[in-house]
Formats: sequence, structure tokens, C-alpha cells
Amino acid sequence: ETGVTQTPRHLVMGMTNKKSLKCEQHLGHNAMYWYKQSAKKPLELMFVYSLEERVENNSVPSRFSPECPNSSHLFLHLHTLQPEDSALYLCASSQDRGLDTQYFGPGTRLTVL
Amino acid sequence: AQSVAQPEDQVNVAEGNPLTVKCTYSVSGNPYLFWYVQYPNRGLQFLLKYITGDNLVKGSYGFEAEFNKSQTSFHLKKPSALVSDSALYFCAVRDMDTGGFKTIFGAGTRLFVKA
Repeated sequence: ETGVTQTPRHLVMGMTNKKSLKCEQHLGHNAMYWYKQSAKKPLELMFVYSLEERVENNSVPSRFSPECPNSSHLFLHLHTLQPEDSALYLCASSQDRGLDTQYFGPGTRLTVL
Repeated sequence: AQSVAQPEDQVNVAEGNPLTVKCTYSVSGNPYLFWYVQYPNRGLQFLLKYITGDNLVKGSYGFEAEFNKSQTSFHLKKPSALVSDSALYFCAVRDMDTGGFKTIFGAGTRLFVKA
């Protein structure tokens, strides 16, 4: 148990659906991250929030919309996804930027039909 | 730009034998290097990191990594492998050029330890 939880653990959705992924960290960290992990590809950083402010957005399509209402919670809102968006979505947190270790949640396995 | 390379997709080793998982890096300044492990159906777990100091870094579960500046390598090692070490291992470098929030991960090396 890393102190970072993600719900749901599995999600199947159609291309016209709207769904949200939730991440919560119980570590008192100031930074939170969304990553996409696809088969045989390096982890892709999607979004970074520091003190609830977005500081990094790696050219992610607008069908992915992050929300960070406070330093403990991070959401990823999904709408009109494509089958190629099927992947494991990982949330992570760290105390701050730089040299701090990141703590990862177990991920949400997303399948887009 | 910062980058890491893990030249092996897969490493096979017999239980009890030493293991090495290779990583090379390219950075424009001081390297801040990490190793993470991912077990099936789990997120990544931190193993160890190199910031400065001793070239041999000791981490969790008996793992260690050797920082070699001249060869720009940060190989992960363990003297005696266990079947339970079978997992996906990621080398990573912190991108300090962009404010330090971005971690660049290698593609991962799958380790199989055979009993």
C-alpha cells in the first residue's frame, strides 16, 4: 500500500460515454501526476499539478480533462475516447518537484470499445 | 534533452544467481536517477535513487545500483535473485531542465527469475 488510491480499478466504456477516474493520496504531498501506460511503450506523463495548479500538460488531447480540487484529490475526466486510449492510467504523488520520490497508485485499467 | 535507455526488453536469470538490469542515461546537467519496479496489476514502486554521493546506492528488497559517470550508466543489481523478483523494472531520470516535475522513464525491462 503506497498511500495512493485509484478508483475504479477497471473501466470499460464506449466511445460516446463520459466517465471520470479518481485518485486520492493520503501522504500530504503537494504534487500529483497522471500517467498513461500502454503496452510496449514508456510511461507517458499526461498532467502534473503542484499545489492544485497545473504545471505540466504534455500535449494531451482535449478528450482528457484533469481536475485537481485540492492537494489530496486528482480526477481525470474522459469523454468521446478512442479505442487507442485503452491503457493503464496511473496516478502518482510526490512531496514536491525535483528529487522527490513519486508514489504510484495501482492504476485504472481502461478499455474503450 | 534528458533520456534513459534500457537496452534489454527481457532478462532471464536462475534463482540464486546474481542479476543485472541495464540502464544508460543522457542528461545535460547533473543526473538524478531512479529505479522503480512494477508487479502485475500494480502501480510502480520506488526501489532506489541516485542524487549525489556514493556511486553504489542501496535500495529496497536487497537491490542496489551502481552509478558510473564515465559510462553514463546506472545498472540495477542484486547478488542473489528470487522468484518473487520477477517483475517489470523501470529506470528513470528527473528532467530538471523543465522545473523538475517531469520524470522520463525508460521502456522497461521484464525480469524473469526461474526456480
